[in-house]
Order: sequence, then structure tokens, then C-alpha cells
Amino acid sequence: GAGVSQTPSNKVTEKGKYVELRCDPISGHTALYWYRQSLGQGPEFLIYFQGTGAADDSGLPNDRFFAVRPEGSVSTLKIQRTERGDSAVYLCASSPPGGETQYFGPGTRLLVL
Amino acid sequence: AQTVTQSQPEMSVQEAETVTLSCTYDTSESDYYLFWYKQPPSRQMILVIRQEAYKQQNATENRFSVNFQKAAKSFSLKISDSQLGDAAMYFCAYRTLRGGSEKLVFGKGTKLTVNP
Repeated sequence: GAGVSQTPSNKVTEKGKYVELRCDPISGHTALYWYRQSLGQGPEFLIYFQGTGAADDSGLPNDRFFAVRPEGSVSTLKIQRTERGDSAVYLCASSPPGGETQYFGPGTRLLVL
Repeated sequence: AQTVTQSQPEMSVQEAETVTLSCTYDTSESDYYLFWYKQPPSRQMILVIRQEAYKQQNATENRFSVNFQKAAKSFSLKISDSQLGDAAMYFCAYRTLRGGSEKLVFGKGTKLTVNP
């Protein structure tokens, strides 16, 4: 079956602009995760959804970052008033009910000029 | 909070040889999961191998095996008969078993080069 998909693959924006990053999980996966990977680092957790609700948003760095998953499938990560420090690869992952393994998408590379 | 340390920023191996990547972690929990993920230049994280902490037997997946030392909090990955396609970044990751906290905690990664 299809894996996790993320759009866009790359996004270039200007400082202060608003961006939305989309994640489409594997069909039937109830858990969805967002991570941020800065250059030369491992991924860092941002937020975790179980169904439609955010079960853990402790990784969101500040209130400029927000994520939704209104129908329990597709999720959108929203970043307001982007800053150059937001430049990174944003990874999305999903896992099936009761599953402990997370399956990752190809990521969105965000560059803030 | 749990931490994961990968002390080897870069490693290299000759094709067909064996290489071991190191990983240590810090936790006060007794039950958890450990993972090795591979990230090629395409950016997609691919699961290599998984270990449940309550299982004493080391996990193996074809040419990939782990040496899990729970008391030492060590989780190394051994790649046998290395192939050119094994070249990638390798990340060690920890996941708690506590409900409501499903996140993965990653190390900084090891860049593996395979020389022909």
C-alpha cells in the first residue's frame, strides 16, 4: 500500500510569512507524529495525534507553531511569522493502532529566507 | 528525560566487510523500545531493526543485528556483508512504553560510508 506522503517536497518562503505543511498518513493508521530535523541533527519531536486530538504537543517550540488533524487522517502543520531558524526538514510519521513502529514520510524541506 | 547518544559522527567500511555502530541511552524506565533507522539522501527514514527491552534475545533482520546490553544501556547495530546501498545516515531512537508519550527520541546520527 501507499506510504506516508508529505507535500510540498520543498518550500521556500520569506521571513514573516505563513506556511502550511501537509501530511497524509498510511491508511488505517490512527497515530500521527510531526518531527523537525535541523541540519546535522536527529529528528526532534513536535507533536503527536491520536485520532483527531493532539495527545502530546510538548515539542512545539512556541505559539507560532500549530497543527491540526480535523478528520483523523490528513494533518497540517502551520507555522506563522516564519523565522530563519525555522529552516529545517519537517518529517511526518504514522503508526497503526497498538503499533510501536513509526513509518516516516519523505519530509518537507523548509527554507526561510 | 530520556537521551540517546551516538558517539561516532562518521564511520566507513569496505564493501562485504562488517561494521558496528554504537548507541547508548539514558532512562530510568525498565520497559521501552529501541530502534535503528536509516536515512539515505532521499530523506525518508527507513526502519532497520527494532528491539523490545523486555526481550533478552538480540533482534536480527537479515544482515542487520543488534547487541542489546540493558544494564549498560547500550544498543549497537552490526551490519554484516556491507553493501553500497547501506551508505546512509543511521539514527538510534528510544520510545517509552508509557501511554500518552509515544514520541521517539533520536540520537544525532552516524554517517556510514561504504567503500567499493
